[in-house]
Amino acid sequence: IAGITQAPTSQILAAGRRMTLRCTQDMRHNAMYWYRQDLGLGLRLIHYSNTAGTTGKGEVPDGYSVSRANTDDFPLTLASAVPSQTSVYFCASSDSSGAVDTQYFGPGTRLTVL
Amino acid sequence: GDSVTQMEGPVTLSEEAFLTINCTYTATGYPSLFWYVQYPGEGLQLLLKATKADDKGSNKGFEATYRKETTSFHLEKGSVQVSDSAVYFCALDGQNFVFGPGTRLSVLP
Repeated sequence: IAGITQAPTSQILAAGRRMTLRCTQDMRHNAMYWYRQDLGLGLRLIHYSNTAGTTGKGEVPDGYSVSRANTDDFPLTLASAVPSQTSVYFCASSDSSGAVDTQYFGPGTRLTVL
Repeated sequence: GDSVTQMEGPVTLSEEAFLTINCTYTATGYPSLFWYVQYPGEGLQLLLKATKADDKGSNKGFEATYRKETTSFHLEKGSVQVSDSAVYFCALDGQNFVFGPGTRLSVLP
């Protein structure tokens, strides 16, 4: 069982380019999340999805979009990258149908926008 | 809204020292509380959790007790090791899932 996988592991991107970060989970969790982690700011929620076919905005959604066509995949797209989007991005999933909504995290994608 | 506050790091300790990382929260209702750990170069992992007042979560020698009267969930370990060097995040699951800013721990041999 792989859990949650993210791709790529790292990426250097020119400003203005489009980029999609991939996230796949094999736990059949209904909920999935995208966070960015910046020094001194901890984790901040970008977008989330409570179930396939639905998405919602988190704390810092501007400049990002997501889709949830099926249960397993939750890609994050930067339509036109800017240097302030340089960060480490973590995907997470949880089975929110249970009593405790424990989140499980992927290994992260380190993105540098020049 | 819900929030989590952690002690600022970095925290530097010698091996076998006692560790406390403070965490306090603000939330309506009765959130579940968590500690996550992030080792260098890795993603976050759940370390322990507690779902109701007075519950004690424990794992790998770490403990934290859900104290509703002081709205706290302090992380403790009696004797830290070099391998415990990591960033520790306190989090709660209330109206939303909220993380604290993280506390970096460095343990020196």
